[in-house]
Formats: sequence, structure tokens, C-alpha cells
Amino acid sequence: AQTVTQSQPEMSVQEAETVTLSCTYDTSESDYYLFWYKQPPSRQMILVIRQEAYKQQNATENRFSVNFQKAAKSFSLKISDSQLGDAAMYFCAYRFYNTDKLIFGTGTRLQVFP
Amino acid sequence: DADVTQTPRNRITKTGKRIMLECSQTKGHDRMYWYRQDPGLGLRLIYYSFDVKDINKGEISDGYSVSRQAQAKFSLSLESAIPNQTALYFCATEKAGYNEQFFGPGTRLTVL
Repeated sequence: AQTVTQSQPEMSVQEAETVTLSCTYDTSESDYYLFWYKQPPSRQMILVIRQEAYKQQNATENRFSVNFQKAAKSFSLKISDSQLGDAAMYFCAYRFYNTDKLIFGTGTRLQVFP
Repeated sequence: DADVTQTPRNRITKTGKRIMLECSQTKGHDRMYWYRQDPGLGLRLIYYSFDVKDINKGEISDGYSVSRQAQAKFSLSLESAIPNQTALYFCATEKAGYNEQFFGPGTRLTVL
């Protein structure tokens, strides 16, 4: 069975600094998608970034980028130039290609200090 | 206006009561999902629907039922609520083939 592990329950970063959130997953499949979702105090789940496993290039969205290591089954999120509005729970999620089930990790709470 | 709405946003009920959570979307997506979020457990899939005539169980469907009244509406029911169903419930939608789910704002349910 596929599993997603986020080993850091909490992380903190100073404003304008860079922070990396870790995610590992377990799967025997070769075609899948990986996602990072942000959940601010408003509770809304917001897609931050998505990576297709067949793509070697790491996905980037403005200040957010990933380090996708397929062989190591690792998918970390790097937030550059952290802002106060980045404070939230961050969830890593996995989806096997062409199925309907998103498997979520347990989340990492990110605090941003001024 | 929000693309995916959930009502109510918060609800407190008593053990044994029947309760319905509603989800509506204006995105025109065919697929809709219900998730449950518990502290320390992430989100888990309860039910999902590909269209009005297609309903599927997720990993934790026991104690829940759903109804897809129209393409835009997907309701989750707890026939007889129990305290361990206290959680945050999310509805999500997706356009087939796009592999991106859009979430509603969530309903916080407390069962006393």
C-alpha cells in the first residue's frame, strides 16, 4: 500500500529566510503525481505545487520549489524568502496515475517569525 | 463567489442525531469527493463520485452515506452521529483527466 510520511510535525523559519519541508513516500508504481497543499488558519486547502513523476525537472512556482528524488522516493518543498503569510499546515500528497485517491501525509506546521 | 461551497461551516450535534453536510460547486467539474481531517492523521477519503450515477466508497466509508443530487451537488450524511465522527470535513472537486482537486472551505463537525 502507498504511504506518505512527513517526519517534521513542526518547523519554524525567520521572515525572508529559506525553509525546506520533508516528505517521503512508499510506492511500487512508476507513474504517479505528487502534491504539496497549504492549509492556513482559514482551513482552506490550497494547492501549492504539483510534480509528475515522469518529469525529471523539479517543479517551481514562484518562491516555492521542490526537490524530487524518484529513486529515494523523496519530495521536499523549499520555500524561499519566507513571508508571514506562509505560516500554515503543509500537506504532502501522492496519487497513482489515473486513479482517484489522494493519499495525504500527516502534515507539517510551519511558523514564520518576523 | 467561491467555486466550491460547503454548508454548514460549523455544526454541533448530539450522539444519535442524523446530520447532512452539503457541498455545491460552480466549476462544472464532474468528479466530487468527501474527505475527513483529524489532527495528526491528515485527510482521508470517505466517498467519491465520478458523476450523478457513479458513487464509490473511500477508505473510511463506514457510518457515512452520500447522495449526488446533481452534477453540482454532493451531500454527505451521518445517519446516527457518534463522537468519534467529530472532525473537519472537506468536499473537493476535479475535472476528469486534470489531476488537480479543488477543496471547499471545510465543515467543522462536533458530535457531543
